[in-house]
Amino acid sequence: AQSVTQLGSHVSVSEGALVLLRCNYSSSVPPYLFWYVQYPNQGLQLLLKYTTGATLVKGINGFEAEFKKSETSFHLTKPSAHMSDAAEYFCAVTTFEAGTALIFGKGTTLSVSS
Amino acid sequence: DVKVTQSSRYLVKRTGEKVFLECVQDMDHENMFWYRQDPGLGLRLIYFSYDVKMKEKGDIPEGYSVSREKKERFSLILESASTNQTSMYLCASRVMGQGAIGELFFGEGSRLTVL
Repeated sequence: AQSVTQLGSHVSVSEGALVLLRCNYSSSVPPYLFWYVQYPNQGLQLLLKYTTGATLVKGINGFEAEFKKSETSFHLTKPSAHMSDAAEYFCAVTTFEAGTALIFGKGTTLSVSS
Repeated sequence: DVKVTQSSRYLVKRTGEKVFLECVQDMDHENMFWYRQDPGLGLRLIYFSYDVKMKEKGDIPEGYSVSREKKERFSLILESASTNQTSMYLCASRVMGQGAIGELFFGEGSRLTVL
């Protein structure tokens, strides 16, 4: 079985500062890892995903994440925060089996102040 | 663009009522999912469906059932609503061809309040 732990339910940064949202996973087989974002009153949308190959993954809106197998981590970063980045972010894991459902973390709310 | 439509954004029901939450997707996706979202708990999987007339229990199926009679529609049913089922319900779909790496497309959610 897979699981995801997001460290920190709430992260606050200033506009222009580095954004770092932490995610650690547990999986007995090679994982597929995802970050989704949820803006207020909306459904979730995909930011980026890691399946195989390059461990540094670039996504939309300037976000990127690095898969580190030795640390079982998939942290999300953005060099410079914008006010529009304020949202809730979810890390998720699944495995190769077709049709397997995504398992989500509990989410991290990002606040950006001016 | 893929569109996942949840029939009701806000519902208020009474304890013991039968509740239907409807979800329709327009991209011929095989896989469909129902998640429940609660503050501090994230998204928890209730049920999912690989294809028409197929269903699998997720992590929290108790008190819920589902129906998938047509490919585009996946319904979540609360047979007898209880106050602890007050929550945001999110439907999602995914194309089968990409397997587990495929992107989930979400609806905007249905916020259910049970009084």
